[in-house]
Amino acid sequence: GAVVSQHPSRVICKSGTSVKIECRSLDFQATTMFWYRQFPKQSLMLMATSNEGSKATYEQGVEKDKFLINHASLTLSTLTVTSAHPEDSSFYICSAKRTGSYNEQFFGPGTRLTVL
Amino acid sequence: QKEVEQDPGPLSVPEGAIVSLNCTYSNSAFQYFMWYRQYSRKGPELLMYTYSSGNKEDGRFTAQVDKSSKYISLFIRDSQPSDSATYLCATSWGTASKLTFGTGTRLQVTL
Repeated sequence: GAVVSQHPSRVICKSGTSVKIECRSLDFQATTMFWYRQFPKQSLMLMATSNEGSKATYEQGVEKDKFLINHASLTLSTLTVTSAHPEDSSFYICSAKRTGSYNEQFFGPGTRLTVL
Repeated sequence: QKEVEQDPGPLSVPEGAIVSLNCTYSNSAFQYFMWYRQYSRKGPELLMYTYSSGNKEDGRFTAQVDKSSKYISLFIRDSQPSDSATYLCATSWGTASKLTFGTGTRLQVTL
């Protein structure tokens, strides 16, 4: 149990376009999901916390208008990178916390975004 | 000072060796401690989850937490080439669920 999927696994887009990444908890309900960004050989950087049915909480320095997060159901959160630029190229990973559990977070496989 | 410090490695050991991975943290409010394994280009996989001080064993893996010294460890017995990955420690102060990660230690187990 506790499987999290992400789609797409890899995306290449042109500068100025928007890209949507989906994060799904497949076999459990997740009231809270998290979005991270990871640069090569670096640790995970939390971008935002997404709570079902409410606005996401963004970490300091993360532009909420650029990284739109929607958590419309207990099993799905989406991250939209708007007007993507080459510096947005990164590995984006989501995680989900099982509803009612403490702090165990289960991670998705990640999405590699390349902006040309 | 980072809240969680972890030696990035790389750490290279021969197959069968006992591996010791460590992290230190600065915030005494941290109560929950986790170890994740991350293979290249994949998402992290939860290995061990502990609350407060003490030891926890799961197969070849043992997690130790010493809150008095703010030191957490992961031991891997009988290491295998398939254990080659980056190991990330993570902490949290409560049910708020926000995790603070170390930078990760890259482990290479050689034949």
